[in-house]
Amino acid sequence: DAGVIQSPRHEVTEMGQEVTLRCKPISGHNSLFWYRQTMMRGLELLIYFNNNVPIDDSGMPEDRFSAKMPNASFSTLKIQPSEPRDSAVYFCASSFSSGTDNEQFFGPGTRLTVL
Amino acid sequence: AQSVTQPDIHITVSEGASLELRCNYSYGATPYLFWYVQSPGQGLQLLLKYFSGDTLVQGIKGFEAEFKRSQSSFNLRKPSVHWSDAAEYFCAVGGYSTLTFGKGTMLLVSP
Repeated sequence: DAGVIQSPRHEVTEMGQEVTLRCKPISGHNSLFWYRQTMMRGLELLIYFNNNVPIDDSGMPEDRFSAKMPNASFSTLKIQPSEPRDSAVYFCASSFSSGTDNEQFFGPGTRLTVL
Repeated sequence: AQSVTQPDIHITVSEGASLELRCNYSYGATPYLFWYVQSPGQGLQLLLKYFSGDTLVQGIKGFEAEFKRSQSSFNLRKPSVHWSDAAEYFCAVGGYSTLTFGKGTMLLVSP
C-alpha cells in the first residue's frame, strides 16, 4: 500500500483565498483524522471521521474551516477565507479502529503558507 | 480529559550514549500508548505501541518503552543513539478512537 497520500505537499496562498487540502487514506481503514501542527500549539486534532461520518469536530478552529469525506477513499479540508494565522503543517492520518488496535498512520503533510 | 506531558523540549545526547525520553499521561481508563518519531519535513512514524500485556515494549530502530501504571509513565529508551536518530519524538495516549499527543521532544545527537 502507498500509505496515506496528501496533496498538495506545499501550498502558498494569499490572505482571503480559499484553500483545499486533500487526503487519500489507506485502503481498508475506517477512521480518518485531520491534524494541524504549529510550533506554538504542537499537534492538534481538528476533526475525525469514522466510516465517512464526522464524529468529533470540536478541534476545528472556526467556521472558516470545513471538512468532508464523501467516500472511504477521499477527504478534504477547506479553509475559506484563509488567514495568515492558518499557516501550519496539516496532517491527515488514518486507522482501522478495531477496539484492540487504533494505530494511526500519518501522511507526509501539507505545508500551508498564507501571506 | 486525557493529556500527555513531555517535560523535555530539547535533549542533546552524544552518539553512542544511551537515551531516555520521558512521557507522563493522564487517562481515565487503561490507556493505549504510542511513541512516534518525526524527521524534518516528514510525517509521523510509529516507533512502538502498548495496548496490554508485557509492560516492556520493543519497537523499531532499537527503541523500547516501559509502561509504569503506578507512575503514569511511558518512557522511551535506546541503549546506543545513532546520528540518524536526531528527530522529534512524540508520545501519545488514547482509547478506541482518538489520540492525544504531547508537545514533543527534539533529540539532538552530538558527535
